[in-house]
Amino acid sequence: GENVEQHPSTLSVQEGDSAVIKCTYSDSASNYFPWYKQELGKRPQLIIDIRSNVGEKKDQRIAVTLNKTAKHFSLHITETQPEDSAVYFCAATTFLGSNYQLIWGAGTKLIIKP
Amino acid sequence: EAQVTQNPRYLITVTGKKLTVTCSQNMNHEYMSWYRQDPGLGLRQIYYSMNVEVTDKGDVPEGYKVSRKEKRNFPLILESPSPNQTSLYFCASSLSRQGDNTEAFFGQGTRLTVV
Repeated sequence: GENVEQHPSTLSVQEGDSAVIKCTYSDSASNYFPWYKQELGKRPQLIIDIRSNVGEKKDQRIAVTLNKTAKHFSLHITETQPEDSAVYFCAATTFLGSNYQLIWGAGTKLIIKP
Repeated sequence: EAQVTQNPRYLITVTGKKLTVTCSQNMNHEYMSWYRQDPGLGLRQIYYSMNVEVTDKGDVPEGYKVSRKEKRNFPLILESPSPNQTSLYFCASSLSRQGDNTEAFFGQGTRLTVV
């Protein structure tokens, strides 16, 4: 079955600097890779996702890159701001017959230092 | 508004007293799941359901039960809660067919304390 590893578990960056969180997956059939942000005391919410037919996707200050050969994908946040402080989860799809489910990484706590 | 609704949001109970946490979604999603979240351990899947009357164990199913009698509801049952089940619980739903919009929607969370 699918296994998703996420690194680092904690990341502290200076406000204005960039942050990068990396995930690797094991199932070569995975084709959907979302990233979720969980603010303190709130539910995880989707911030960006990428499908396997695309190598990079950007949305303002956040971007996701995918390397299918190496089976890893990364979240990039540029010009970090205090509101970026949160826990970030990556996930990858695994398939059971014609149905799929998401397998989650362990999460990265991002701390933005003022 | 598309949403996943969990109840209650907060619950303090005593060891051994059966409880149910409800989860309902209004998006006609086939796939629903329950997670528990403990400090430093991310989201651990308890049970999931691919459709009505189809449920399967996740990574940490011991001490929990679920049912899926209707598509919209997926209650989590703790028959005899113990203190090690003190945690933050999330219900989530999504479409489960390939090629569809596969975003997972989470409920607001239920913070359970077992004393």
